[in-house]
Amino acid sequence: NAGVTQTPKFQVLKTGQSMTLQCAQDMNHEYMSWYRQDPGMGLRLIHYSVGAGITDQGEVPNGYNVSRSTTEDFPLRLLSAAPSQTSVYFCASRIEGLPYEQYFGPGTRLTVT
Amino acid sequence: AQRVTQPEKLLSVFKGAPVELKCNYSYSGSPELFWYVQYSRQRLQLLLRHISRESIKGFTADLNKGETSFHLKKPFAQEEDSAMYYCALRKETSGSRLTFGEGTQLTVNP
Repeated sequence: NAGVTQTPKFQVLKTGQSMTLQCAQDMNHEYMSWYRQDPGMGLRLIHYSVGAGITDQGEVPNGYNVSRSTTEDFPLRLLSAAPSQTSVYFCASRIEGLPYEQYFGPGTRLTVT
Repeated sequence: AQRVTQPEKLLSVFKGAPVELKCNYSYSGSPELFWYVQYSRQRLQLLLRHISRESIKGFTADLNKGETSFHLKKPFAQEEDSAMYYCALRKETSGSRLTFGEGTQLTVNP
């Protein structure tokens, strides 16, 4: 199993550009989520999904869209990038129910200039 | 709303010294608490969870409901323990949603 994979590893965008961060898992996990990691603020939940076709907002959803058309994939879209979205983005997945352990991807470092 | 606080952003100790990473939480129900660790250039991974009452890599953490704390402790720190540590909380009704603290960067000096 590859676990949770994310692409790209690094990305630089100009303000106003759009892009999609890819996340895939091959563990047949129902639950997937996106976090952003910022110094001094820990990890904050952006969006999550409890299964294909079901998504919901987390703590900081503004400026981001998600969709879940398959169990495996959970892309995160930045509609119009802003410098405040400069961060490291982590995708995570887990099965429903016990144990509540999340498996994280390697992260995508995004810089918006 | 629930909240997790890690009061120390940076913590530096010498090899062989005891280490304690503090975690306090605010939540009125019965939470589940976790410690996650991120070593340099590696992905975030689960270190331990309070319900398991386990010791992983020499680390232990006890949930103190009276003080609403879940401090991570190790009696003798090793250089390979240097990493970013995150405390996280899951409400009993939140499914899989985790609330993370701000993180503590631990450096163990030789």
